[in-house]
Amino acid sequence: DVKVTQSSRYLVKRTGEKVFLECVQDMDHENMFWYRQDPGLGLRLIYFSYDVKMKEKGDIPEGYSVSREKKERFSLILESASTNQTSMYLCASSSPGVSETQYFGPGTRLLVL
Amino acid sequence: EDQVTQSPEALRLQEGESSSLNCSYTVSGLRGLFWYRQDPGKGPEFLFTLYSAGEEKEKERLKATLTKKESFLHITAPKPEDSATYLCAVPNYGGSQGNLIFGKGTKLSVKP
Repeated sequence: DVKVTQSSRYLVKRTGEKVFLECVQDMDHENMFWYRQDPGLGLRLIYFSYDVKMKEKGDIPEGYSVSREKKERFSLILESASTNQTSMYLCASSSPGVSETQYFGPGTRLLVL
Repeated sequence: EDQVTQSPEALRLQEGESSSLNCSYTVSGLRGLFWYRQDPGKGPEFLFTLYSAGEEKEKERLKATLTKKESFLHITAPKPEDSATYLCAVPNYGGSQGNLIFGKGTKLSVKP
């Protein structure tokens, strides 16, 4: 089975802190994604990556950056956390060509105070 | 712009009361339609992929069907453990390959 893990299930941070969210997948998938999910707004794509050291902006990249130094690991960085970044963050991975099915991690619920 | 619309937003059923959830989309040349189940506080869990009109897939009490403009997730004799939010998604044809556009989901509650 595909397994996507995220470094924390719950996280509480202060405004202005730098926050790192990490995601690891064990299926050798090329594609990895970061979403945030908010009530009434659904899943919104923040950033995605097709390969190591490659990244592309999604629909809402402002206030975020990403890093992909190894194929299995994709990090989301909040450079200076703000209260409006309180949300559920979801990581996903997929393999192109065979299927575009994305497999999700368990999510990180981030609270910024 | 590609759109994925799910209805209803919320659905309350009694245990054993069968019903259907709808996912309509406005893309041409569909490369797949995906159904996910999401429990509160957890990540979406993949259920089905449908690729062509007329295709059907089943898993326990769930059956997904696809037409040229919409997909249905039929729930037969649901149980309380089927309570969850069900999401559908299609590939983002206007964007980079591999991206999905998600609907906002249908929250299903099944009462005993």
